[in-house]
Amino acid sequence: GPKVLQIPSHQIIDMGQMVTLNCDPVSNHLYFYWYKQILGQQMEFLVNFYNGKVMEKSKLFKDQFSVERPDGSYFTLKIQPTALEDSAVYFCASRRDWGGYAEQFFGPGTRLTVL
Amino acid sequence: GQQVQQSPASLVLQEGENAELQCNFSTSLNSMQWFYQRPEGSLVSLFYNPSGTKQSGRLTSTTVIKERRSSLHISSSQITDSGTYLCAMERGGGSGNKLIFGTGTLLSVKP
Repeated sequence: GPKVLQIPSHQIIDMGQMVTLNCDPVSNHLYFYWYKQILGQQMEFLVNFYNGKVMEKSKLFKDQFSVERPDGSYFTLKIQPTALEDSAVYFCASRRDWGGYAEQFFGPGTRLTVL
Repeated sequence: GQQVQQSPASLVLQEGENAELQCNFSTSLNSMQWFYQRPEGSLVSLFYNPSGTKQSGRLTSTTVIKERRSSLHISSSQITDSGTYLCAMERGGGSGNKLIFGTGTLLSVKP
């Protein structure tokens, strides 16, 4: 089936540094998401992005977070600066379009460890 | 409160037994998906099931939108079925189509 890729699979950084997580969504999809899962806890929605804009964000999407997809390349999640509580697995997902009935396809996740 | 309630929280089976996992939703939903989460954390999509019954091998998913519930039936369980099963609902109507996940069912299949 359609594949979403995420780079890197693991990232270890020191608190206060910047990190960028990359997502390569399904090629004809237009609607993109980031989800966060802290180890042993529930998967939670962070943000969705459509037509170059953030459509909705949760309270977990702090001011230090930003997303973009410049020129149809990777869909990225940037955290600057990072904090200890940002340690989690971040999953990217994409959906064909807005509205209607459509499945969200998930990437394998990026495990972020903030020391 | 939790919008997505999964039950049971954990389940232990003998190999060959069947399992029924449940998901109940406190609000109206547009559609829902079932995932298997491997022990190392990656997700496997099992079903996208807006309504009705879908089958894939030993797995069957049934969603009844009006009753705000979905189930996942695993027949003739195998040791390799062990892991966490997640359901997630998508709310319609301007919610941005985000998925709201349940807390999962941890399945352990013993030989």
